[in-house]
Amino acid sequence: QVQLVESGGGLVKPGGSLRLSCAASGFTFSDYYMSWIRQAPGKGLEWVSYISSSGSTIYYADSVKGRFTISRDNAKNSLYLQMNSLRAEDTAVYYCAREDGPRVDYWGQGTLVTVSS
Amino acid sequence: QSALTQPASVSGSPGQSITISCTGTSSDVGSYNLVSWYQQHPGKAPKLMIYEGSKRPSGVSNRFSGSKSGNTASLTISGLQAEDEADYYCCSYAGSSTRVFGGGTKLTVL
Repeated sequence: QVQLVESGGGLVKPGGSLRLSCAASGFTFSDYYMSWIRQAPGKGLEWVSYISSSGSTIYYADSVKGRFTISRDNAKNSLYLQMNSLRAEDTAVYYCAREDGPRVDYWGQGTLVTVSS
Repeated sequence: QSALTQPASVSGSPGQSITISCTGTSSDVGSYNLVSWYQQHPGKAPKLMIYEGSKRPSGVSNRFSGSKSGNTASLTISGLQAEDEADYYCCSYAGSSTRVFGGGTKLTVL
């Protein structure tokens, strides 16, 4: 069965950095686009970034452009999100998500990132 | 892109039908038949309920249906059940590889 397991969340000070990882299993990882989607506490969902199956196409939301970098390692079935210059408004649960067309068919359980001094 | 517009809350009694609207623009909902709907229970990850406007993934009850008219997509849940109480989010493709979510609707089953 498809499994997406995020890790790397935690408490970080404003201006700091964090790297999220997502371990994928149960499907051919290299066949699928992957995304990071976040949800601030008590708020709605926000698409953060996605990456094509080969890694050649990448998208970032304007809110994170220039600060976040998405990447993947198909040999390790892993997705990453490098987050730099973190701000309080980046505080959220970050979900790793598999895309099948412009829809997410599987989600991880999420990892909480808290940006606070 | 601006978020799609959803009502903050809707409610209905068991057995009734409810509809949640999702209003976008001619640049997103109106231009593509690529709206998806997600159900999210508290503390849980979202779950895909409808994709490409009206298609149901395997395993999703046929009580859930989707439609679109102009710049507005809709999710209808018929025969409301207690377990349908959750937050619902719409999402649309918005061109240039972008996607946009709605603000979410809290469904209360009375």
